[in-house]
Amino acid sequence: GAGVSQSPSNKVTEKGKDVELRCDPISGHTALYWYRQRLGQGLEFLIYFQGNSAPDKSGLPSDRFSAERTGESVSTLTIQRTQQEDSAVYLCASSLVNLEQYFGPGTRLTVT
Amino acid sequence: KQEVTQIPAALSVPEGENLVLNCSFTDSAIYNLQWFRQDPGKGLTSLLLIQSSQREQTSGRLNASLDKSSGRSTLYIAASQPGDSATYLCAGGTSYGKLTFGQGTILTVHP
Repeated sequence: GAGVSQSPSNKVTEKGKDVELRCDPISGHTALYWYRQRLGQGLEFLIYFQGNSAPDKSGLPSDRFSAERTGESVSTLTIQRTQQEDSAVYLCASSLVNLEQYFGPGTRLTVT
Repeated sequence: KQEVTQIPAALSVPEGENLVLNCSFTDSAIYNLQWFRQDPGKGLTSLLLIQSSQREQTSGRLNASLDKSSGRSTLYIAASQPGDSATYLCAGGTSYGKLTFGQGTILTVHP
């Protein structure tokens, strides 16, 4: 079946612009997670959704970052007024709770 | 706060060798531990998931163990092949699935 998909695969934006990253989880997966991987660094947790609520958003780095999810479907991660330090690969994963997480291919964001 | 460390950072072995990758974590209240591989420019592929009540999991040539009391997990790869070359990541999970990742081990298997 279809895996986790993310769009766009690559995004280049100018500093100060807003960007939206999209994640389509595996159908039926109630849990959805966003992570970030900056160059040469490990993956960092950003936010967790259970259905359309976000019980843990402790990893969002600043109030420029927000995310929402429609039901148990698509999620969008929005970064406002992008900064160069936001450049990273943004990865989305979905799962049935407490089971294996399946990751999408990621969105590579470059802020110039 | 959970911290995960992986040793070694990089490993290069000849084809056919058996090898062990190490992962340690600071919070023994871990709910599960997951091993992934990451290929350049691609997302993560789940290899094995060990629940906290389990001691090990096996899939083909891969075997992962979990020792909560010592805060360690190992990934054993038997009869390594060049196609096994990738970055291997371990991650400790909470009860709702939040993963804390190690920095990874870059594995190169040369023919």
